[in-house]
Amino acid sequence: DAGVIQSPRHEVTEMGQEVTLRCKPISGHDYLFWYRQTMMRGLELLIYFNNNVPIDDSGMPEDRFSAKMPNASFSTLKIQPSEPRDSAVYFCASSFAREAQYFGAGTRLSVL
Amino acid sequence: TQLLEQSPQFLSIQEGENLTVYCNSSSVFSSLQWYRQEPGEGPVLLVTVVTGGEVKKLKRLTFQFGDARKDSSLHITAAQTGDTGLYLCASRGGYNKLIFGAGTRLAVHP
Repeated sequence: DAGVIQSPRHEVTEMGQEVTLRCKPISGHDYLFWYRQTMMRGLELLIYFNNNVPIDDSGMPEDRFSAKMPNASFSTLKIQPSEPRDSAVYFCASSFAREAQYFGAGTRLSVL
Repeated sequence: TQLLEQSPQFLSIQEGENLTVYCNSSSVFSSLQWYRQEPGEGPVLLVTVVTGGEVKKLKRLTFQFGDARKDSSLHITAAQTGDTGLYLCASRGGYNKLIFGAGTRLAVHP
């Protein structure tokens, strides 16, 4: 099993630029989750999908953030325009039904 | 929304020592999960506890779920440097949402 694959692992960008984070969930999993982790706020759920449909996006901080899941094997989290306070580690996770969530290795985003 | 409090925030110990970390809430947990996150990696599920009073063991790790299902503890016996990491507890906040505590950051020194 390849596990949940995220890319890029590291992203450094300048304020105002668009950032796109990518995730490939584990094959056969029907739930996909996007989290953000910072020292101040810990691990926060941003949005999650079930069968490619967004179920709960109440954790998305503001309109600058958007997420899509065009098919069962791919999802993106986009920030446009990015701001320094968006700097964090972004994790993608997937699960089958309500079973264990499996996390990717994360994308460390730095917005200068 | 259920809030999870973890204590201590930080723990620095020598190899071979025992330790216990805690996860508490003012509300009843339907179930509780413990994760370990190593530097540069995502969290990895260690265990899920469901029944009040439940005790589960995973090698040197012992997990307890309080009788009232409002608290849980993780005890590590004879800590090793490989136990270093961030220990997170999480509860279900909705159908399939997880709410995480802030974590206990453990450093085990040789």
